[in-house]
Amino acid sequence: ETGVTQSPTHLIKTRGQQVTLRCSSQSGHNTVSWYQQALGQGPQFIFQYYREEENGRGNFPPRFSGLQFPNYSSELNVNALELDDSALYLCASSLDREVEQYFGPGTRLTVT
Amino acid sequence: AQSVTQPDIHITVSEGASLELRCNYSYGATPYLFWYVQSPGQGLQLLLKYFSGDTLVQGIKGFEAEFKRSQSSFNLRKPSVHWSDAAEYFCAVGSNTGKLIFGQGTTLQVKP
Repeated sequence: ETGVTQSPTHLIKTRGQQVTLRCSSQSGHNTVSWYQQALGQGPQFIFQYYREEENGRGNFPPRFSGLQFPNYSSELNVNALELDDSALYLCASSLDREVEQYFGPGTRLTVT
Repeated sequence: AQSVTQPDIHITVSEGASLELRCNYSYGATPYLFWYVQSPGQGLQLLLKYFSGDTLVQGIKGFEAEFKRSQSSFNLRKPSVHWSDAAEYFCAVGSNTGKLIFGQGTTLQVKP
């Protein structure tokens, strides 16, 4: 059974740029959730995708957007990057929107 | 509003000593409760979960947690800590919309 994978591992971007982060869900899982974890904080829910549709969103601006593909992998896109977007971005997968979620290793984004 | 509080930001224990990490939650209905562990630079690993039934739940790596509805608590315990347990620990409550709400985390340091 393959776990959740994320790419890239690390990323450095400049303020104002756009970034795309990728996530492959655990085998058999059809739901992907994205979380932002700022330094020294707990993860905060960004949004969730279930069967290619957004299924809930946290308190994040529209410049955070996502996509889920037919194979249930997912992308997180962030436009007009701000310094405060620097964080560890975690992807988690689950089955049928279940709250028991399994996390990937994360992508460390640094905005300069 | 749903929330999770971990009152202890940092805890230091000696190797072989017992451990208890505190977690208090605020949630209107019967909560789904989780403990995750995060090693430096890594994603989150699920230690244990409580959905219903027996209020004392066993997890991986020798951890256990007890759900106390009257105190709105879900404290994590381990009888004898190993140096490899040093990490960040997060308590989370799962909503019926499928998102996880995390506490701020407790950093565990283990003294030799």
